[in-house]
Amino acid sequence: AQRVTQPEKLLSVFKGAPVELKCNYSYSGSPELFWYVQYSRQRLQLLLRHISRESIKGFTADLNKGETSFHLKKPFAQEEDSAMYYCALGSQGGSEKLVFGKGMKLTVNP
Amino acid sequence: GAGVSQSPRYKVAKRGQDVALRCDPISGHVSLFWYQQALGQGPEFLTYFQNEAQLDKSGLPSDRFFAERPEGSVSTLKIQRTQQEDSAVYLCASSTGQPNQPQHFGDGTRLSIL
Repeated sequence: AQRVTQPEKLLSVFKGAPVELKCNYSYSGSPELFWYVQYSRQRLQLLLRHISRESIKGFTADLNKGETSFHLKKPFAQEEDSAMYYCALGSQGGSEKLVFGKGMKLTVNP
Repeated sequence: GAGVSQSPRYKVAKRGQDVALRCDPISGHVSLFWYQQALGQGPEFLTYFQNEAQLDKSGLPSDRFFAERPEGSVSTLKIQRTQQEDSAVYLCASSTGQPNQPQHFGDGTRLSIL
């Protein structure tokens, strides 16, 4: 069965501090991992996906199949990064359902 | 172009009433998904359409939930004889249907059952 675990529900840091949002997954096939973000009063939107290997808004995430992890990192957090972050798992090459973690609320204080 | 549009944004119903939630996907998007998001939780999959075909309805919690997409565009999620545990945000997402393409989400419908 597919499962996504985000072990922490809340993270509060000061501006300029590094952040790491943890995500672990369980899936026997070839995973496709995503990070979605929801800013206050906005819709859920894609932040990045592992297959693109890109950096969006300074965030990066590396798929580690050995540790079944896809942690989201940013070296210097900004106040505008405050949001809910959801890790999601899909099947590679498919266009089917996503399995989401419970989400983590990041607060970046001035 | 316009994103995924959902209506109504908010719906309040009494227990036992039937409700219908609408989703208008991005034009040309083949795939359409419904998710349910309870308070403090991540979205949970309900059902998936490819054009008008409902290919996966494994996430529908009971036979009170029914979804359709008769012309392969707009979709409606219907909940019959609503119960308090149906209170949640219902999210619709669409994608091109091509491999590795992301899902685009609507704002959701917040359903409250009294």
